[in-house]
Amino acid sequence: AQKVTQAQTEISVVEKEDVTLDCVYETRDTTYYLFWYKQPPSGELVFLIRRNSFDEQNEISGRYSWNFQKSTSSFNFTITASQVVDSAVYFCALSVGNRDDKIIFGKGTRLHILP
Amino acid sequence: DAGVIQSPRHEVTEMGQEVTLRCKPISGHNSLFWYRQTMMRGLELLIYFNNNVPIDDSGMPEDRFSAKMPNASFSTLKIQPSEPRDSAVYFCASSPKTSYTYEQYFGPGTRLTVT
Repeated sequence: AQKVTQAQTEISVVEKEDVTLDCVYETRDTTYYLFWYKQPPSGELVFLIRRNSFDEQNEISGRYSWNFQKSTSSFNFTITASQVVDSAVYFCALSVGNRDDKIIFGKGTRLHILP
Repeated sequence: DAGVIQSPRHEVTEMGQEVTLRCKPISGHNSLFWYRQTMMRGLELLIYFNNNVPIDDSGMPEDRFSAKMPNASFSTLKIQPSEPRDSAVYFCASSPKTSYTYEQYFGPGTRLTVT
Protein backbone atom coordinates (compact mmCIF):
# COMPACT_ATOMS: atom_id res chain seq x y z
CA ALA A 1 0.00 0.00 0.00
CA GLN A 2 1.08 3.53 -0.66
CA LYS A 3 1.41 6.19 1.98
CA VAL A 4 2.49 9.83 2.15
CA THR A 5 3.49 11.41 5.45
CA GLN A 6 3.84 15.12 6.00
CA ALA A 7 4.83 15.20 9.63
CA GLN A 8 4.82 18.98 9.91
CA THR A 9 1.23 20.02 10.44
CA GLU A 10 1.94 23.72 10.69
CA ILE A 11 5.05 25.89 10.33
CA SER A 12 5.56 29.59 10.94
CA VAL A 13 8.60 31.50 9.77
CA VAL A 14 9.46 35.15 9.42
CA GLU A 15 9.56 36.59 5.93
CA LYS A 16 12.88 36.13 4.09
CA GLU A 17 13.77 33.02 6.05
CA ASP A 18 14.27 29.73 4.26
CA VAL A 19 11.86 26.92 5.08
CA THR A 20 11.79 23.22 4.21
CA LEU A 21 8.63 21.15 4.05
CA ASP A 22 9.14 17.44 4.57
CA CYS A 23 7.50 14.62 2.66
CA VAL A 24 8.13 10.94 3.27
CA TYR A 25 6.48 8.32 1.10
CA GLU A 26 6.01 4.58 1.13
CA THR A 27 5.56 2.30 -1.86
CA ARG A 28 6.77 -1.08 -3.04
CA ASP A 29 6.59 -0.08 -6.67
CA THR A 30 9.74 0.85 -8.52
CA THR A 31 7.90 3.18 -10.87
CA TYR A 32 6.12 6.00 -9.15
CA TYR A 33 5.57 9.72 -9.33
CA LEU A 34 5.72 12.41 -6.70
CA PHE A 35 3.97 15.75 -6.72
CA TRP A 36 3.72 18.94 -4.74
CA TYR A 37 0.63 21.13 -4.78
CA LYS A 38 0.00 24.49 -3.17
CA GLN A 39 -3.37 25.51 -1.72
CA PRO A 40 -3.42 29.24 -1.00
CA PRO A 41 -6.13 30.86 1.14
CA SER A 42 -8.27 31.25 -1.98
CA GLY A 43 -8.73 27.47 -1.87
CA GLU A 44 -7.69 26.25 -5.30
CA LEU A 45 -4.94 23.64 -5.44
CA VAL A 46 -2.08 24.63 -7.72
CA PHE A 47 0.30 22.12 -9.26
CA LEU A 48 3.96 22.84 -8.50
CA ILE A 49 6.05 19.88 -9.58
CA ARG A 50 5.99 16.27 -10.78
CA ARG A 51 8.95 13.96 -10.41
CA ASN A 52 9.30 10.33 -11.51
CA SER A 53 11.14 7.70 -9.51
CA PHE A 54 13.94 7.37 -12.02
CA ASP A 55 14.96 10.99 -11.86
CA GLU A 56 16.69 11.87 -8.62
CA GLN A 57 18.06 15.13 -9.89
CA ASN A 58 17.13 18.02 -7.68
CA GLU A 59 14.89 20.66 -9.19
CA ILE A 60 15.09 24.41 -8.76
CA SER A 61 12.48 26.87 -9.91
CA GLY A 62 13.13 30.39 -8.75
CA ARG A 63 12.89 30.42 -4.97
CA TYR A 64 11.53 26.88 -4.92
CA SER A 65 13.67 23.76 -4.84
CA TRP A 66 12.96 20.09 -4.38
CA ASN A 67 15.25 17.40 -2.97
CA PHE A 68 14.34 13.85 -3.98
CA GLN A 69 16.20 11.10 -2.12
CA LYS A 70 15.15 7.52 -2.79
CA SER A 71 17.48 6.24 -0.06
CA THR A 72 15.32 7.94 2.56
CA SER A 73 12.04 7.88 0.58
CA SER A 74 11.78 11.62 0.86
CA PHE A 75 10.80 14.42 -1.47
CA ASN A 76 11.35 17.63 0.45
CA PHE A 77 10.42 21.11 -0.68
CA THR A 78 12.42 24.22 0.21
CA ILE A 79 11.36 27.82 -0.19
CA THR A 80 14.27 30.22 -0.14
CA ALA A 81 13.80 33.80 1.03
CA SER A 82 10.16 33.19 1.87
CA GLN A 83 7.51 35.79 1.14
CA VAL A 84 4.09 36.41 2.62
CA VAL A 85 2.52 35.19 -0.62
CA ASP A 86 4.00 31.78 0.08
CA SER A 87 1.56 31.35 2.95
CA ALA A 88 -0.55 28.35 2.02
CA VAL A 89 -1.14 24.67 2.67
CA TYR A 90 1.28 22.50 0.76
CA PHE A 91 0.44 18.94 -0.21
CA CYS A 92 2.77 16.17 -1.24
CA ALA A 93 1.26 13.36 -3.31
CA LEU A 94 2.28 9.95 -4.63
CA SER A 95 1.07 8.00 -7.65
CA VAL A 96 2.30 4.62 -8.81
CA GLY A 97 2.38 3.62 -12.45
CA ASN A 98 0.68 0.27 -12.49
CA ARG A 99 -2.76 -1.18 -13.11
CA ASP A 100 -3.93 -0.34 -9.62
CA ASP A 101 -2.54 3.13 -9.67
CA LYS A 102 -4.03 5.67 -7.37
CA ILE A 103 -3.00 9.06 -6.20
CA ILE A 104 -2.48 9.50 -2.49
CA PHE A 105 -2.21 12.94 -0.93
CA GLY A 106 -0.51 13.72 2.34
CA LYS A 107 -2.39 15.62 5.03
CA GLY A 108 -0.66 18.84 4.08
CA THR A 109 1.57 21.33 5.86
CA ARG A 110 0.15 24.76 6.66
CA LEU A 111 2.84 27.37 6.16
CA HIS A 112 2.58 30.83 7.70
CA ILE A 113 4.99 33.47 6.53
CA LEU A 114 5.02 36.29 9.04
CA PRO A 115 5.80 39.83 7.85
CA ASP B 1 -6.83 29.64 -21.40
CA ALA B 2 -9.64 28.99 -18.99
CA GLY B 3 -8.92 26.68 -16.11
CA VAL B 4 -11.26 24.13 -14.60
CA ILE B 5 -14.63 25.73 -13.94
CA GLN B 6 -16.89 24.63 -11.10
CA SER B 7 -20.35 25.75 -10.15
CA PRO B 8 -21.79 26.72 -7.83
CA ARG B 9 -18.96 28.06 -5.69
CA HIS B 10 -21.06 27.84 -2.56
CA GLU B 11 -24.12 25.74 -1.85
CA VAL B 12 -26.20 25.67 1.29
CA THR B 13 -28.97 23.13 1.45
CA GLU B 14 -31.10 21.30 3.95
CA MET B 15 -30.68 17.68 4.85
CA GLY B 16 -32.56 15.41 2.46
CA GLN B 17 -32.31 17.71 -0.52
CA GLU B 18 -30.63 16.79 -3.78
CA VAL B 19 -27.40 18.59 -4.57
CA THR B 20 -25.75 18.76 -7.99
CA LEU B 21 -22.23 20.04 -8.45
CA ARG B 22 -20.94 20.88 -11.91
CA CYS B 23 -17.54 20.87 -13.54
CA LYS B 24 -16.12 21.93 -16.87
CA PRO B 25 -12.60 20.53 -17.36
CA ILE B 26 -9.82 22.17 -19.32
CA SER B 27 -10.39 21.68 -23.03
CA GLY B 28 -8.37 18.80 -24.43
CA HIS B 29 -7.81 17.10 -21.09
CA ASN B 30 -8.57 13.40 -21.04
CA SER B 31 -9.05 12.73 -17.34
CA LEU B 32 -11.38 14.19 -14.77
CA PHE B 33 -11.31 13.71 -11.02
CA TRP B 34 -13.71 14.56 -8.22
CA TYR B 35 -12.30 15.10 -4.73
CA ARG B 36 -13.72 15.95 -1.33
CA GLN B 37 -11.77 17.91 1.26
CA THR B 38 -12.59 18.08 4.96
CA MET B 39 -10.55 18.98 8.00
CA MET B 40 -10.93 15.51 9.44
CA ARG B 41 -10.23 13.39 6.38
CA GLY B 42 -8.12 15.68 4.23
CA LEU B 43 -8.29 15.38 0.46
CA GLU B 44 -10.10 12.25 -0.73
CA LEU B 45 -10.46 11.07 -4.31
CA LEU B 46 -14.08 10.18 -5.03
CA ILE B 47 -14.12 9.16 -8.69
CA TYR B 48 -11.95 9.27 -11.77
CA PHE B 49 -12.98 9.41 -15.45
CA ASN B 50 -10.85 8.64 -18.49
CA ASN B 51 -12.23 9.88 -21.81
CA ASN B 52 -15.65 10.33 -20.17
CA VAL B 53 -15.73 6.76 -18.82
CA PRO B 54 -15.72 6.14 -15.04
CA ILE B 55 -12.59 4.15 -14.26
CA ASP B 56 -12.44 4.12 -10.49
CA ASP B 57 -15.33 5.02 -8.21
CA SER B 58 -14.03 3.19 -5.16
CA GLY B 59 -13.81 6.45 -3.27
CA MET B 60 -17.49 7.26 -3.60
CA PRO B 61 -18.71 7.06 0.00
CA GLU B 62 -22.09 5.46 -0.61
CA ASP B 63 -24.95 5.08 -3.02
CA ARG B 64 -26.20 8.55 -2.27
CA PHE B 65 -23.32 9.82 -4.38
CA SER B 66 -23.29 9.53 -8.17
CA ALA B 67 -21.20 11.12 -10.89
CA LYS B 68 -21.62 11.42 -14.63
CA MET B 69 -19.61 12.70 -17.52
CA PRO B 70 -21.90 12.88 -20.55
CA ASN B 71 -19.26 14.51 -22.73
CA ALA B 72 -15.68 15.69 -22.65
CA SER B 73 -16.58 19.15 -21.43
CA PHE B 74 -18.98 18.51 -18.58
CA SER B 75 -19.33 16.43 -15.45
CA THR B 76 -21.70 16.38 -12.50
CA LEU B 77 -21.49 15.05 -8.97
CA LYS B 78 -24.86 14.45 -7.39
CA ILE B 79 -25.75 13.78 -3.78
CA GLN B 80 -29.25 12.52 -3.10
CA PRO B 81 -30.34 12.75 -0.35
CA SER B 82 -27.78 15.04 1.22
CA GLU B 83 -26.74 14.73 4.87
CA PRO B 84 -24.89 17.11 7.21
CA ARG B 85 -21.80 14.89 7.09
CA ASP B 86 -21.54 15.62 3.37
CA SER B 87 -20.53 19.18 4.20
CA ALA B 88 -17.12 19.71 2.62
CA VAL B 89 -15.32 21.41 -0.22
CA TYR B 90 -15.66 19.44 -3.42
CA PHE B 91 -12.98 19.85 -6.05
CA CYS B 92 -12.96 18.88 -9.67
CA ALA B 93 -9.61 18.43 -11.43
CA SER B 94 -8.57 17.54 -14.94
CA SER B 95 -5.40 16.12 -16.39
CA PRO B 96 -4.00 16.06 -19.91
CA LYS B 97 -3.31 12.33 -19.78
CA THR B 98 -5.31 9.24 -18.94
CA SER B 99 -3.53 8.34 -15.75
CA TYR B 100 -3.05 9.32 -12.15
CA THR B 101 0.63 9.76 -12.89
CA TYR B 102 0.36 13.17 -14.49
CA GLU B 103 -0.26 16.55 -12.98
CA GLN B 104 -3.81 17.62 -12.26
CA TYR B 105 -5.31 21.05 -12.58
CA PHE B 106 -7.90 21.86 -9.95
CA GLY B 107 -10.97 24.02 -10.07
CA PRO B 108 -11.78 26.56 -7.34
CA GLY B 109 -14.01 24.11 -5.50
CA THR B 110 -17.62 24.11 -4.32
CA ARG B 111 -18.14 24.66 -0.63
CA LEU B 112 -21.17 22.58 0.35
CA THR B 113 -22.98 23.09 3.63
CA VAL B 114 -25.80 20.74 4.52
CA THR B 115 -27.88 21.85 7.50
